[in-house]
Amino acid sequence: AQSVTQPDIHITVSEGASLELRCNYSYGATPYLFWYVQSPGQGLQLLLKYFSGDTLVQGIKGFEAEFKRSQSSFNLRKPSVHWSDAAEYFCAVGPFGGSQGNLIFGKGTKLSVKP
Amino acid sequence: EPEVTQTPSHQVTQMGQEVILRCVPISNHLYFYWYRQILGQKVEFLVSFYNNEISEKSEIFDDQFSVERPDGSNFTLKIRSTKLEDSAMYFCASRKGVTNEQFFGPGTRLTVL
Repeated sequence: AQSVTQPDIHITVSEGASLELRCNYSYGATPYLFWYVQSPGQGLQLLLKYFSGDTLVQGIKGFEAEFKRSQSSFNLRKPSVHWSDAAEYFCAVGPFGGSQGNLIFGKGTKLSVKP
Repeated sequence: EPEVTQTPSHQVTQMGQEVILRCVPISNHLYFYWYRQILGQKVEFLVSFYNNEISEKSEIFDDQFSVERPDGSNFTLKIRSTKLEDSAMYFCASRKGVTNEQFFGPGTRLTVL
């Protein structure tokens, strides 16, 4: 079955500390992987995406993610967290293209930032 | 920067009533989607729409749901007879073409009483 697992429901980090949010996926075809961020009351903003090429991808707001095929993982990282990063983060997987293209989302990880 | 817009931001309705959620996708995009997120749960796919027809739908998208692109700019989701369990945030998304990079709107929070 196709699925995305985000094992951490809630993470709290101190401002300035590093961050890693975990994502594991199960997908039958070559996956197109995404990280989205959702601030309270807001929609989903795309942070970064990966389909092929360099397995370390850079996104907006200083985020990066590393694709590891052997572990079926696509973990999100940031070297130094800012208070404005507090939000909910969703990992998603889908096909690269095609007329369908529905994304499968994980349950999300809520990030809290301590001053 | 172009963005997906959705109206209304919050809709309250009585059980059994019909609701129409509206979306304006990014103007040169060709593929359109509806997703929903029940409070505290993950975002779930409802339906995809391309070339003026549904290209895929999930089990959630039963006969109570319909989608329409009535003109060149709007994309609507209709729920014919709302149930309590339809209460959720509904997101519209659109994508331009070959690659599956989807842009999401801010969502419509639907509350069914």
